[in-house]
Amino acid sequence: GQSLEQPSEVTAVEGAIVQINCTYQTSGFYGLSWYQQHDGGAPTFLSYNALDGLEETGRFSSFLSRSDSYGYLLLQELQMKDSASYFCAVSGGGGYNKLIFGAGTRLAVHP
Amino acid sequence: DVKVTQSSRYLVKRTGEKVFLECVQDMDHENMFWYRQDPGLGLRLIYFSYDVKMKEKGDIPEGYSVSREKKERFSLILESASTNQTSMYLCASSLGGEAQYFGPGTRLLVL
Repeated sequence: GQSLEQPSEVTAVEGAIVQINCTYQTSGFYGLSWYQQHDGGAPTFLSYNALDGLEETGRFSSFLSRSDSYGYLLLQELQMKDSASYFCAVSGGGGYNKLIFGAGTRLAVHP
Repeated sequence: DVKVTQSSRYLVKRTGEKVFLECVQDMDHENMFWYRQDPGLGLRLIYFSYDVKMKEKGDIPEGYSVSREKKERFSLILESASTNQTSMYLCASSLGGEAQYFGPGTRLLVL
């Protein structure tokens, strides 16, 4: 089968750094992406990694290791507004254009 | 900016009714998707379309059908709504496998 594993919940304080891990097992792989979803809102695209290494976009960074079938999303200088659910998704399990999503990690940022 | 709109934010239907959910995107994307989102299960793909009049089943197509007569519009049809189809329905569009852009979602309640 195809699966993505990520923690269900993470808690952190404002100003801290948090890492959300994602491991995947899929029949094919083109890339790993991350989405943010606030309560009541739609998922919004954050980042995409096709190659090994770290991609940085402002306070958010995303890492991929294809050999380990593993990636993570790193959020720095946490703010209250970062409280949301974060989903990892793999492109490739069913073709390039289809994504397989993890169940999501709920991040709670406290003062 | 990519804009994906959905016909309704909230819908209440009765068991056995035929339900139409419409999605429109304004970025000329080839790919469009319908997902349902339930607590703890992440996003599950119902159907997707990679071109006008082309469609492919996702992971949970039973009880649903779709229609794509124009590139910008992708409709999800529940032929005979059932209570287990109560869910959040999300439409998305994309050019490729890197990023999908989501609509605001339709929260459907079937009584």
